[in-house]
Amino acid sequence: EAQVTQNPRYLITVTGKKLTVTCSQNMNHEYMSWYRQDPGLGLRQIYYSMNVEVTDKGDVPEGYKVSRKEKRNFPLILESPSPNQTSLYFCASSSHRGGGQPQHFGDGTRLSIL
Amino acid sequence: KQEVTQIPAALSVPEGENLVLNCSFTDSAIYNLQWFRQDPGKGLTSLLLIQSSQREQTSGRLNASLDKSSGRSTLYIAASQPGDSATYLCAVYTSGTYKYIFGTGTRLKVLA
Repeated sequence: EAQVTQNPRYLITVTGKKLTVTCSQNMNHEYMSWYRQDPGLGLRQIYYSMNVEVTDKGDVPEGYKVSRKEKRNFPLILESPSPNQTSLYFCASSSHRGGGQPQHFGDGTRLSIL
Repeated sequence: KQEVTQIPAALSVPEGENLVLNCSFTDSAIYNLQWFRQDPGKGLTSLLLIQSSQREQTSGRLNASLDKSSGRSTLYIAASQPGDSATYLCAVYTSGTYKYIFGTGTRLKVLA
């Protein structure tokens, strides 16, 4: 089954403790992206990647890091999480780096930073 | 900078009604526009994608139209059902940016 898998689905942690949210897709997609979703603000793009070793900032990249060492994986790293990063996070992928194909989304990761 | 707006923020309709959801964007230089459905606690499911060269796309009871020059798209849902209750989001992919910009969504409730 074609899917985007995120782990963990839920995480409660404390300020400053490094964490990684993993994202994996099994569709051989080139384009992958991370979003955060906050009430009243909608989904905002954090980082995206057009292929292995090619990543770039979205609209809200501050406080986040990403890497794309393999085509299928695109982890989101919070080196020193802060309470304002409490949010619902989504990973997505698309077969077309230029956006010509629909994005497929994971089920989300709810992060709470205390 | 591209901005995407969806009005209304919430909508309640009785079952069986035809309804229209609106999405507007400020920069007409888009590559495509995509409509999504989001159920509570779930990710987004792609409903329809309209390329900039297209005027509309249809899937079952759903029809999405695009008027690039006026910066508008509509999602038409025919004969609404309680199972259509969800939040509907539109997203635009602006040419040359490789970024998606989302609206804040319309929360739809279809009453049985």
